Amino acid sequence: EVLLVESGGGLIQPGGSLRLSCVASGFSLSDIYMNWVRQTPGRGLEWVSVIYSGGGTYYADSVKGRFTISRDSSKNTVYLQMNNLRADDTAVYYCAGNLPFDPWGQGTVVTVSS
Amino acid sequence: DIQMTQSPSSVSASVGDRVTITCRASQDISTWLVWYQQKPGKAPKLLIYAASSLQSGVPSRFSGSGSGTDFTLTISSLQPEDFATYYCQQAKSLPPWTFGQGTKVEIK
Repeated sequence: EVLLVESGGGLIQPGGSLRLSCVASGFSLSDIYMNWVRQTPGRGLEWVSVIYSGGGTYYADSVKGRFTISRDSSKNTVYLQMNNLRADDTAVYYCAGNLPFDPWGQGTVVTVSS
Repeated sequence: DIQMTQSPSSVSASVGDRVTITCRASQDISTWLVWYQQKPGKAPKLLIYAASSLQSGVPSRFSGSGSGTDFTLTISSLQPEDFATYYCQQAKSLPPWTFGQGTKVEIK
């Protein structure tokens, strides 16, 4: 079964850092694009970042310079390192494979608040 | 960035109704258009890709059409399990891959 499971979300103060993890099973995430997508009631779905199978990366302007996507093939895991977090980073964060996005993880909640 | 605009933002319909949702891109995206379905508390689910190709396992009552800037998702006969929010996404070349704001299909 193809499955993605995120973890690492939580409550963090503005300016703080979090690292999200996305573990894949049933396939090798090194063979495909892996994305992070976030969702808020106000802004809807927002693509955040991608890491290509070759290792290239892209970021949304809203997170560029603050977030870093990476991959550990030995653990079949993709990460999103989030630094200098702001209140408007509060969202449910999903990892999703490929383009179009499928599969998706179940999401992890990040709340940035003092 | 390419902007995606969906309409309507919500629609009330009954079981058995035909429902049509439209999505407009701010520039030509050929057929690089994807539709997702999302139910409360769940991740989005891929329904249609390349504007009109049905994802494996998706019922045939769902269909997509369009090219260029104007696209349509049609549910031919609404079923109870179809009450959800639907999102379009442009998937053209390089990111950012932007989404529409969503259309909520509600029970009438």
